[in-house]
Amino acid sequence: DAKTTQPPSMDCAEGRAANLPCNHSTISGNEYVYWYRQIHSQGPQYIIHGLKNNETNEMASLIITEDRKSSTLILPHATLRDTAVYYCIVRGIQGAQKLVFGQGTRLTINP
Amino acid sequence: GAVVSQHPSWVICKSGTSVKIECRSLDFQATTMFWYRQFPKQSLMLMATSNEGSKATYEQGVEKDKFLINHASLTLSTLTVTSAHPEDSSFYICSAREGAGEQYFGPGTRLTVT
Repeated sequence: DAKTTQPPSMDCAEGRAANLPCNHSTISGNEYVYWYRQIHSQGPQYIIHGLKNNETNEMASLIITEDRKSSTLILPHATLRDTAVYYCIVRGIQGAQKLVFGQGTRLTINP
Repeated sequence: GAVVSQHPSWVICKSGTSVKIECRSLDFQATTMFWYRQFPKQSLMLMATSNEGSKATYEQGVEKDKFLINHASLTLSTLTVTSAHPEDSSFYICSAREGAGEQYFGPGTRLTVT
């Protein structure tokens, strides 16, 4: 699976949009971009995933660049409960593809 | 979304004993289950992958005789840490997937070996 690069930490003010970047320059054509987050001492929570089109759900939006070498997760109106470690993962869907976690971005939402 | 449960949520055991952790998929059939380990301030590390009815595939460096994985049904997988030592103290997280679908995670089990 392709490797991802994320900033180790970010801060955002409560109520503002949090934009978390991820680089995945070696992504291949059949690999998806997944985002999970992990709140302290809990299991990871699925947020969103996409292949090449932008995606939006009730939690977040995912913007993938046209060359697919990077993406941005957007939390439109961050709350204190969004404080967590956010993981960007690239994964294929064929066979027994598994999720391999990098170091992620520790997002802190400040009041 | 789909629900994955783990039991117990935390356990303390003495060095040299074995401890079993259960992982259940509550509303879907988990054809594949994954076990991760997470040390403080570190990311999740995949330990092994198991398909229902088959032997688990362990990641490099993970001792299969120490971390016994059983995936005997489509809703249950167990991880047994045999002859536990303090260095096995960690946060163990299971994950489950139906077919090529999404991967859902359990809440984790915190193991402390004294």
